Amino acid sequence: EVQLVESGGALVNPGGSLRLSCAASGFAFANVWMNWVRQAPGNGLEWVGRIGPKAHGGTSDYAAPVKDRFTISRDDSKNMLYLQMNSLKTEDTAVYYCTRAAYGLDPWGQGTLVTVSS
Amino acid sequence: QSVLTQPPSVSGAPGQRVTISCTGSNSNIGAGHDVHWYQQLPGTAPKVLIYSDRNRPLGVPDRFSGSKSGTSASLAITGLQAEDEADYYCQSFDNSLSGHVFGTGTKVTV
Repeated sequence: EVQLVESGGALVNPGGSLRLSCAASGFAFANVWMNWVRQAPGNGLEWVGRIGPKAHGGTSDYAAPVKDRFTISRDDSKNMLYLQMNSLKTEDTAVYYCTRAAYGLDPWGQGTLVTVSS
Repeated sequence: QSVLTQPPSVSGAPGQRVTISCTGSNSNIGAGHDVHWYQQLPGTAPKVLIYSDRNRPLGVPDRFSGSKSGTSASLAITGLQAEDEADYYCQSFDNSLSGHVFGTGTKVTV
């Protein structure tokens, strides 16, 4: 079964840092583009960023609101995706999902909640 | 902010047909990028409903269909059912932003 499981969400102070993890199983993780998408409470979906497979140079792209603050990485030996979030702002409060780029974005994990508040 | 525009809400009686539009630009839908549609039931993660403009994943009823023309795309739901009450999002890729973009989302009420 193709599955993604996020973890690492927490309550963090503005200006703080947090690292989210996403464990992948059931597919050839190393060969696919992986994405992070977030959803603020009561709001719509917002793409955060993506990382390509090593065969594509492992390149990453980011949405403007998180560029230079967030970093996506991957460990293909562990089938793990990461999102390092620095200089967090209150507007980063959201459920964060990891998702695979395949036939659209599919599947999605269950999400992990990040709350940025003092 | 979202670069793909959808109506905030649509509604219909059981059995009726509703459509949801997704309007983009020449840097995303108009550039030929695939459009995908997602259904998000309350409290759950989004799920792919239509991929690559008009294709249904296994298990998605044929009541759902997608189309694309120019800089816009549409999702149609025929034979509306109570279980279709959810939020629906379109998604594509944008050349100017070098990233994926989502629609503003549409709440369907039955």
